[in-house]
Amino acid sequence: DIQMTQSPSTLSASVGDRVTITCRASQSINTWLAWHQQKSGKAPKLLIYKASSLESGVSSRFSGSGSGTEFTLTISSLQPDDLATYYCLQYDSYPWTFGQGTKVEIK
Amino acid sequence: QVQLVESGGGVVQPGGSLRLSCAASGFIFGSFGMHWVRQAPGKGLEWVADIWFDGRNKYYADSVRGRFTISRENSKNTLYLQMNSLRAEDTAVYYCARDFGSGNYYKGLDYWGQGSLVTVSS
Repeated sequence: DIQMTQSPSTLSASVGDRVTITCRASQSINTWLAWHQQKSGKAPKLLIYKASSLESGVSSRFSGSGSGTEFTLTISSLQPDDLATYYCLQYDSYPWTFGQGTKVEIK
Repeated sequence: QVQLVESGGGVVQPGGSLRLSCAASGFIFGSFGMHWVRQAPGKGLEWVADIWFDGRNKYYADSVRGRFTISRENSKNTLYLQMNSLRAEDTAVYYCARDFGSGNYYKGLDYWGQGSLVTVSS
């Protein structure tokens, strides 16, 4: 199985800060990686697919990059509404696997 | 608009069975693969199973293979998860999600339901 390792587990940043979350795969997944946002008590929401494609309707403050085994999710200017846990998901091969999540807090 | 509504969750004893349903609307259900993903209380997301649009292919996480069965009824726009031999560690919110896209536009999971809580406890 492909292991997905996210870092950091938690981050605290101020409104307006640039925030970066990293996801590392245990083997190459090409660009078959998505980022999902989950707010407290809610279902996850797709933000980025195929490593760098922005889902329709998602703020352009979110961007993704990477290929192979190293990926990043960047929030260009953190906003209060971005308070959430972010998960990477590899869909290159079965079983699909998620990272353990990164909780983003607002200072 | 796309809607996915799970039902069937509840409290069940260890070793028991439960069947979850996911009612889909707002899209042509029979044209899309579907997944189940779960989340134990306070924990992260875990992919559980997937079924192709026509039901011919199914895939499972090792943790549920042989105990859970994913199925679908395209005529009823409904996805199912039959869960047998339930264990305490199966306690979680179970989400259904749609599989979307192909080629360079393959998104993986694009829409999620609101989830259904399954509690395995004596």
